[in-house]
Amino acid sequence: DIQMTQSPSTLSASVGDRVTITCRASQTISSWLAWYQQKPGKVPKLLIYGASSLESGVPSRFSGSGSGTEFTLTISSLQPDDFATYYCQQYKSYSPFTFGPGTKVDIK
Amino acid sequence: QVQLVQSGAEVKKPGASVKVSCKASGYTFTDYYIHWIRQAPGQGLEWMGWINPKNFDTKYSQKFQGRVTMTRDTSISTAYMELRSLRSDDTAIYYCAREKTESGYAPVNYWGQGTLVTVSS
Repeated sequence: DIQMTQSPSTLSASVGDRVTITCRASQTISSWLAWYQQKPGKVPKLLIYGASSLESGVPSRFSGSGSGTEFTLTISSLQPDDFATYYCQQYKSYSPFTFGPGTKVDIK
Repeated sequence: QVQLVQSGAEVKKPGASVKVSCKASGYTFTDYYIHWIRQAPGQGLEWMGWINPKNFDTKYSQKFQGRVTMTRDTSISTAYMELRSLRSDDTAIYYCAREKTESGYAPVNYWGQGTLVTVSS
């Protein structure tokens, strides 16, 4: 299976900060990458797919970039509702899907 | 509206099996892959596999190969995930989720409410 890593594992930030999370794949996955947000006790929510396409209804402060093996999720101006855990997931064709270990964004 | 409704919580002994159901509504069941994802207490998301309800095709994570079976009953728009030889580290919330597009190999954007499976002697 393709392995996914994320950094950092925890990120402390303040409202208004620009936040960047990195995700790396153990082999090239082109742009077959998604980002999810999960809040405690809730199901995950799809934010980004195709590495950079914003899911309908997701605020434009979220953006994704990258291709191949290195990807980033950026929150341009962190809002109180954004404190959560973020997961990347690869979905390359004919491969089992895998999630990254997650990045927890908490209040500084 | 799309809904995925899962069966209720289960408590199992080590070595037993569990079968979780996921009833879909609000769309054509055979048009979208269903994935199973689990989350142990305080841990991250772990992808287990998917089933294509149209043709019964499945793909499983290597970690669960030989221990998991995903099936479906199209007559009642329901997908199932059976996990055998349960261990204490299988204690987790098990989610079913539907892919975003009909093409297959897409992220998921609809989730069931989750089913807590507790494995304890």
